[in-house]
Amino acid sequence: QKEVEQDPGPLSVPEGAIVSLNCTYSNSAFQYFMWYRQYSRKGPELLMYTYSSGNKEDGRFTAQVDKSSKYISLFIRDSQPSDSATYLCAMKRSGGSYIPTFGRGTSLIVHP
Amino acid sequence: EPEVTQTPSHQVTQMGQEVILRCVPISNHLYFYWYRQILGQKVEFLVSFYNNEISEKSEIFDDQFSVERPDGSNFTLKIRSTKLEDSAMYFCASSTGTANTEAFFGQGTRLTVV
Repeated sequence: QKEVEQDPGPLSVPEGAIVSLNCTYSNSAFQYFMWYRQYSRKGPELLMYTYSSGNKEDGRFTAQVDKSSKYISLFIRDSQPSDSATYLCAMKRSGGSYIPTFGRGTSLIVHP
Repeated sequence: EPEVTQTPSHQVTQMGQEVILRCVPISNHLYFYWYRQILGQKVEFLVSFYNNEISEKSEIFDDQFSVERPDGSNFTLKIRSTKLEDSAMYFCASSTGTANTEAFFGQGTRLTVV
């Protein structure tokens, strides 16, 4: 089993839809959870950063962590064509190595 | 807004040649990283660097790779004898700390080995 699993998609939605992006993981030592957005041929850009379980909201974006299920989500409300990108989840341990482990990324297409 | 800058944006090299990828991290950051992303695959960690030495490296970072901070601003990744499978996007990143701090990524260098 891979440490971090993420469906590569593509996920295609109409403008204005609520988007749900998800990752599962196997390592219970992960404590820090991140979502990055990556446009084509660009570097990853951090969107959300959460510690342990719970929700975090930032504008149209909500990150949710359920450590009991080893499942994290990113919700995008009122999606826009400019949200079309690949969304990467990443996770870090609280001790030992602080290097994040990335998911494969989910390609999102928001069509007008 | 401060950003991580990488040069060149695209590098084409012949198999067996040496390449140096350059990065200028954000000025007050102390931790520097190299990642690579083969087309269609996930972002993979190569190496982290702190206080002028490697702090962690992955299995990918073998003897053909080396990193250096030759002056106060640049951070370089050298690949000694490139192979076809080294073709990828190489991302530099930097951060102020480790656990509870975010890393900022550069735009990447696309390396094509022919």
